[in-house]
Amino acid sequence: DVKVTQSSRYLVKRTGEKVFLECVQDMDHENMFWYRQDPGLGLRLIYFSYDVKMKEKGDIPEGYSVSREKKERFSLILESASTNQTSMYLCASSLGGPYKNIQYFGAGTRLSVL
Amino acid sequence: GEDVEQSLFLSVREGDSSVINCTYTDSSSTYLYWYKQEPGAGLQLLTYIFSNMDMKQDQRLTVLLNKKDKHLSLRIADTQTGDSAIYFCAEYSSSNSNSGYALNFGKGTSLLVTP
Repeated sequence: DVKVTQSSRYLVKRTGEKVFLECVQDMDHENMFWYRQDPGLGLRLIYFSYDVKMKEKGDIPEGYSVSREKKERFSLILESASTNQTSMYLCASSLGGPYKNIQYFGAGTRLSVL
Repeated sequence: GEDVEQSLFLSVREGDSSVINCTYTDSSSTYLYWYKQEPGAGLQLLTYIFSNMDMKQDQRLTVLLNKKDKHLSLRIADTQTGDSAIYFCAEYSSSNSNSGYALNFGKGTSLLVTP
């Protein structure tokens, strides 16, 4: 079974802190994604990566950055957390190429910024 | 990106069938998916359908695709209280070069199953 593991289920941080959200997948997937999920807004793509050291902006990249130094790990960084970044963050991975293109999700990290 | 629309809420009685509907706008969608999210959890793939198919059945789940109307539905037969969750429709289009292999998700339909 594919496993996508997010390092924390719940995080509480203060405004202005630097925050790292970690995601690891064990299926040698090329593609990895970070989404945030907010009530009434569904899932919105923040950043994605299709290879090591490669990153592409999604729909809402402002205030975030990412790092992919190893194929299995994709980190989301909030350089200076703000209250409007309080949200559920979901990591996903998928095999390279358009065939089926099934995304597998982690359990999510619920971040509260106070 | 292109829009994927779903109704926000659906309530059914245990044992009845549930039908969750979804419309999308990208005519070049290649694959369409249904994901399920239980409270406090991530998204779990339920099923997917290739765009050249009209129907796919998997145990209690039936997916219908009307490509002409860009309409996708998920029918859950004999709905159980454990089916209460948020259901997301998603589409992938190989023409969407802006977001690579990212999927385009609807906002989700909250299904409540009452005893």
